[in-house]
Amino acid sequence: QKEVEQDPGPLSVPEGAIVSLNCTYSNSAFQYFMWYRQYSRKGPELLMYTYSSGNKEDGRFTAQVDKSSKYISLFIRDSQPSDSATYLCAMSPQTGANNLFFGTGTRLTVIP
Amino acid sequence: EAGVTQSPTHLIKTRGQQATLRCSPISGHTSVYWYQQALGLGLQFLLWYDEGEERNRGNFPPRFSGRQFPNYSSELNVNALELEDSALYLCASTQRGVEPYNEQFFGPGTRLTVL
Repeated sequence: QKEVEQDPGPLSVPEGAIVSLNCTYSNSAFQYFMWYRQYSRKGPELLMYTYSSGNKEDGRFTAQVDKSSKYISLFIRDSQPSDSATYLCAMSPQTGANNLFFGTGTRLTVIP
Repeated sequence: EAGVTQSPTHLIKTRGQQATLRCSPISGHTSVYWYQQALGLGLQFLLWYDEGEERNRGNFPPRFSGRQFPNYSSELNVNALELEDSALYLCASTQRGVEPYNEQFFGPGTRLTVL
């Protein structure tokens, strides 16, 4: 079993829809949770990060962490065609310089 | 401010050859990470260098190696290439001591194809 599981999709939604992306994990030591966005032929860029359980909102994006269920989510409201990308969840057991554990990524297409 | 740069963009090799990939971190960043992104497998951690030292390595065979130079740039070497080494190799850099979390900034990657 991989430490981080993510549905690879692909996921297609109409413009304006609410998108829900999810990851599950098995390592209870993970404390920091991140979502990266990767456009085609580009490196991943950090979208959001959260520490431990709880919610974090940034504009149209909301990240949720449920450590009791080992489950994290990213919600995108009012999705736009420019949101079309691959979304990768990542996590780390501690802060500071440390390698990240990634999900496989979910490819999202927002149709105008 | 310039981002993380990687060279070459594409690299084509044949089985058994050696490949060398290069990475220049963001100015001021001392840590460099290497990840392999193979189709359908997500990013797999390869190596972490900080202040010229190897700090950690992932579950990859010893033919994957590298180093970090005094200017914090880094090189990834893959010896005795195998077909399954074909992947996008991503380099990321970070600045230690930036709490509470050190964001890893990624380069665009080097696409390695092994024929």
